[in-house]
Amino acid sequence: GQQVMQIPQYQHVQEGEDFTTYCNSSTTLSNIQWYKQRPGGHPVFLIQLVKSGEVKKQKRLTFQFGEAKKNSSLHITATQTTDVGTYFCAAHISSGSARQLTFGSGTQLTVLP
Amino acid sequence: GAGVSQTPSNKVTEKGKYVELRCDPISGHTALYWYRQSLGQGPEFLIYFQGTGAADDSGLPNDRFFAVRPEGSVSTLKIQRTERGDSAVYLCASSLTPSGSQGPRNEQFFGPGTRLTVL
Repeated sequence: GQQVMQIPQYQHVQEGEDFTTYCNSSTTLSNIQWYKQRPGGHPVFLIQLVKSGEVKKQKRLTFQFGEAKKNSSLHITATQTTDVGTYFCAAHISSGSARQLTFGSGTQLTVLP
Repeated sequence: GAGVSQTPSNKVTEKGKYVELRCDPISGHTALYWYRQSLGQGPEFLIYFQGTGAADDSGLPNDRFFAVRPEGSVSTLKIQRTERGDSAVYLCASSLTPSGSQGPRNEQFFGPGTRLTVL
């Protein structure tokens, strides 16, 4: 069964509003990666978080890894139309095969101009 | 040609037929992955190669699916006796370092995918 849960499934925001997507697992995660997939495109790597409590920023994007390494979030400040797409978290789950990257189901972001 | 390439981009076949999907990874990337993505879902892991060998094939759904990477570069995903439920986008990805490693080069670079439709 799915070991990485992601919410919400869909999010519509007005341009300029903030957006957050959450990723949760019942098991400890070795690390977590975030990918963005534009409509009709393929996943593109955004970032990897490894340390407990880690926070990384990329311009308007802020990524967090929970203290227990079981959850993560991606926050976008002041969304723009170029942010449209589906955001996936993906994790190597410590208790499973270290070689297998498990993706969440994604959050599809729509930004209304 | 810096990215991962996949051919064909689209494949339409009939139920019961055999198909081959090709992936050409980024030069120098020893790790290669196959995923399957259905509409509205995240990529689902199928198989991971480190070099020529399949380091993890636990995601292959059944024995109709098989993949090879004979020279450690190009990989072919083979599906026998296709079923309508096999319809999906098949994604290939490669990375510089093995999957699960903690270094900064662990990111996976995805190809554009092959959209398989089984009628």
